[in-house]
Amino acid sequence: EAGVAQSPRYKIIEKRQSVAFWCNPISGHATLYWYQQILGQGPKLLIQFQNNGVVDDSQLPKDRFSAERLKGVDSTLKIQPAKLEDSAVYLCASSSSGTDNSPLHFGNGTRLTVT
Amino acid sequence: AQSVTQPDIHITVSEGASLELRCNYSYGATPYLFWYVQSPGQGLQLLLKYFSGDTLVQGIKGFEAEFKRSQSSFNLRKPSVHWSDAAEYFCAVGAWGYNKLIFGAGTRLAVHP
Repeated sequence: EAGVAQSPRYKIIEKRQSVAFWCNPISGHATLYWYQQILGQGPKLLIQFQNNGVVDDSQLPKDRFSAERLKGVDSTLKIQPAKLEDSAVYLCASSSSGTDNSPLHFGNGTRLTVT
Repeated sequence: AQSVTQPDIHITVSEGASLELRCNYSYGATPYLFWYVQSPGQGLQLLLKYFSGDTLVQGIKGFEAEFKRSQSSFNLRKPSVHWSDAAEYFCAVGAWGYNKLIFGAGTRLAVHP
């Protein structure tokens, strides 16, 4: 099966600019996650979708971050305006369900550098 | 508070040597534990998981991990390391029925020939 696809792989922007990341999960996976991985730290969950509804966005900085999953398939994560501390790898993951401990399948991530 | 601690930031071993990566967790409910591996520029790949039953679990690539409730630990082991095992390893904890995972900060493994 095709894995989780993410684009772009790398992005460099200046602070206060906006940026968007795209994720295409594994076909048929109902649950989609966005994680932020800052250098030297483990991934931190930003938002979890079940189909096209948000299950958990408690750690999403909503003043600058937004995410959507239209039609319950692809998802985009946006940052506007970006801050220096947003420099990180943004990982998208999907699983067949969000409530059965089915394995998370991760994409290769988007590395964001904010200057 | 729920947390995962990986005490070793960086470990170096010789090829063919044994390996043990430490993981300690703090979790209010029955924990469900995972080890993931991340190669440079790649996403995370699941090595193994523990939900219940036998406390020694086998994973892919010859890895195993042992759950010790009394020590709140879930250490990862491999009897003989290969150069291709060089990567970063993450321990994670979650709750049954919820796929939200809390990750440790990771241990970077280097393998000397």
